[in-house]
Amino acid sequence: DAMVIQNPRYQVTQFGKPVTLSCSQTLNHNVMYWYQQKSSQAPKLLFHYYDKDFNNEADTPDNFQSRRPNTSFCFLDIRSPGLGDAAMYLCATSSSGLTNEKLFFGSGTQLSVL
Amino acid sequence: AQRVTQPEKLLSVFKGAPVELKCNYSYSGSPELFWYVQYSRQRLQLLLRHISRESIKGFTADLNKGETSFHLKKPFAQEEDSAMYYCALSGSASKIIFGSGTRLSIRP
Repeated sequence: DAMVIQNPRYQVTQFGKPVTLSCSQTLNHNVMYWYQQKSSQAPKLLFHYYDKDFNNEADTPDNFQSRRPNTSFCFLDIRSPGLGDAAMYLCATSSSGLTNEKLFFGSGTQLSVL
Repeated sequence: AQRVTQPEKLLSVFKGAPVELKCNYSYSGSPELFWYVQYSRQRLQLLLRHISRESIKGFTADLNKGETSFHLKKPFAQEEDSAMYYCALSGSASKIIFGSGTRLSIRP
């Protein structure tokens, strides 16, 4: 039973065309994260929500936005995708965001930009 | 600044041989360290965390604060251990950063 679900598994968009990736969770966790992972690189934290509080990483481009309309859902919006935004996007959750808690990951969305 | 370094992109060992995946970190405080694993066609999942001091699937990892290391070890590799392994660090609430990963390949 998937607990963190990402849709779609593969997303193709055009250069400059806005795209939205979605994540849902059945764990009722307070914290939801978005990571970007490019080939052979570490997953890079873009931002996270603690409940409704949005926390942006300092080096996350303005082109990336996020919404969390309720506990279960979180969206990643890329306003004007560039070729450099092609990557795997991983959604993760944790119960309370404590430093010793584990993350639960979705399967990821592989984004291609043409 | 928080940083996690995994110096090996690929580690290939024979079945039954010992395994050590290296992880070094940089953090000024007292971090929490983790190892995550991704098997083929599966999602990233927690393997173990240092605070639990547990052995999972025969793997152990000891936090060495003097050397700022958290190497993952297993005395006898099995074919099912082939996967991508990521070391991760959490230094502050709701912020976990990852190393670039090591692909472990076990040869029969």
